[in-house]
Amino acid sequence: DIQMTQSPSSLSASVGDRVTITCRASQSISSYLNWYQQKPGKAPKLLIYAASSLQSGVPSRFSGSGSGTDFTLTISSLQPEDFATYYCQQSYSTPGTFGPGTKVDIK
Amino acid sequence: EVQLVQSGAEVKKPGESLKISCKGSGYSFTSYWIGWVRQMPGKGLEWMGIIYPGDSDTRYSPSFQGQVTISADKSISTAYLQWSSLKASDTAMYYCARQSLYDSSDFWGQGTLVTVSS
Repeated sequence: DIQMTQSPSSLSASVGDRVTITCRASQSISSYLNWYQQKPGKAPKLLIYAASSLQSGVPSRFSGSGSGTDFTLTISSLQPEDFATYYCQQSYSTPGTFGPGTKVDIK
Repeated sequence: EVQLVQSGAEVKKPGESLKISCKGSGYSFTSYWIGWVRQMPGKGLEWMGIIYPGDSDTRYSPSFQGQVTISADKSISTAYLQWSSLKASDTAMYYCARQSLYDSSDFWGQGTLVTVSS
């Protein structure tokens, strides 16, 4: 199985801050990397697919980059509704492993 | 509008069997893979397996192979996740999700909470 790691595991930030989350795969996954947002008690929501493609309806303050083994999710200006847990997932091969998550909370 | 609607919460005893469902609507159910994801209390997301309802081709994570069975009935646009003998460690929220571009999961069910307790 391909292993996914994320850093940091949690972070505290203020509204308006630029936030960057990193995801690393244990082997090359080309651009088969997806990012999800999950709020407490809710199903995950797809933000970014194929490393850098914005899912329809997702605000443009979210962006993704990277290829191979190293990827980033950036929130350009954190909004109150962005406080949540973020997961990366590789879809290069089955099983489609998820990273452990990064919790973004209010400073 | 694409929707995945899951069956309701379940409370079961260890050793009992269970089958939960995920009904798709608003799209061609037979043309997209459907996956199942486990989330244990307070923990992260775990990919369990996927099924292609068009021909019932199924793939499992090694972690879940032999522990659960994924199936689908395309005549009623419904995917299933079942256990033959539940354990307390199966207590979790289970999500179904449609796989789309680059095998990302673009639409999710609301989740089914399974509680296994004696």
